[in-house]
Amino acid sequence: GEQVEQLPSILRVQEGSSASINCSYEDSASNYFPWYKQEPGENPKLIIDIRSNMERKQIQELIVLLDKKAKRFSLHITDTQPGDSAMYFCAASASGSNYQLIWGSGTKLIIKP
Amino acid sequence: NAGVIQTPRHKVTGKGQEATLWCEPISGHSAVFWYRQTIVQGLEFLTYFRNQAPIDDSGMPKERFSAQMPNQSHSTLKIQSTQPQDSAVYLCASSQDWGGRAETLYFGSGTRLTVL
Repeated sequence: GEQVEQLPSILRVQEGSSASINCSYEDSASNYFPWYKQEPGENPKLIIDIRSNMERKQIQELIVLLDKKAKRFSLHITDTQPGDSAMYFCAASASGSNYQLIWGSGTKLIIKP
Repeated sequence: NAGVIQTPRHKVTGKGQEATLWCEPISGHSAVFWYRQTIVQGLEFLTYFRNQAPIDDSGMPKERFSAQMPNQSHSTLKIQSTQPQDSAVYLCASSQDWGGRAETLYFGSGTRLTVL
């Protein structure tokens, strides 16, 4: 079936530096790409999303880039803080569906003090 | 707004027993999803309801899993004859449904099911 590949699985960065997580998808018909953050013992929460009519979106320290040609999208967190330590999941809307998401396997982000 | 409410938070069952998980979606949300989360498999889609009607259960193991949404304020996921491999966190999520595109999913806190 369709897959979303997410890399890296673990990412360690120094506090204050930037962190980047990359995802690739298979179906060119995918048009919605959300990112969810899940802290230990908590439920996943949407932090930012982008639709296929955009190439870039920024909310405060979060930047999402979408390259439809390469079928890749990425999350960049600038000026990382300890509170950014969490699991991050990317997802892409499934072809032919307006509701189903194909999820990446997650990235554990660790912010080193 | 209390968000999506799932009960119980933790459930321990013996192998072969039945487990029923409950979900109360956010009021006004017409789309309800069930997911299963494990370390190995990640987030797996199980089933989806829209306006209480079952739309897609393609992710549900056919033989022992069933889901219902008898009214707009709650949904249940029932697992019969539980097996150790059913151990996971079961997440319910709801979203508004504008009838044409994927929208933000609001997840509940999940039910951690442990089958001994």
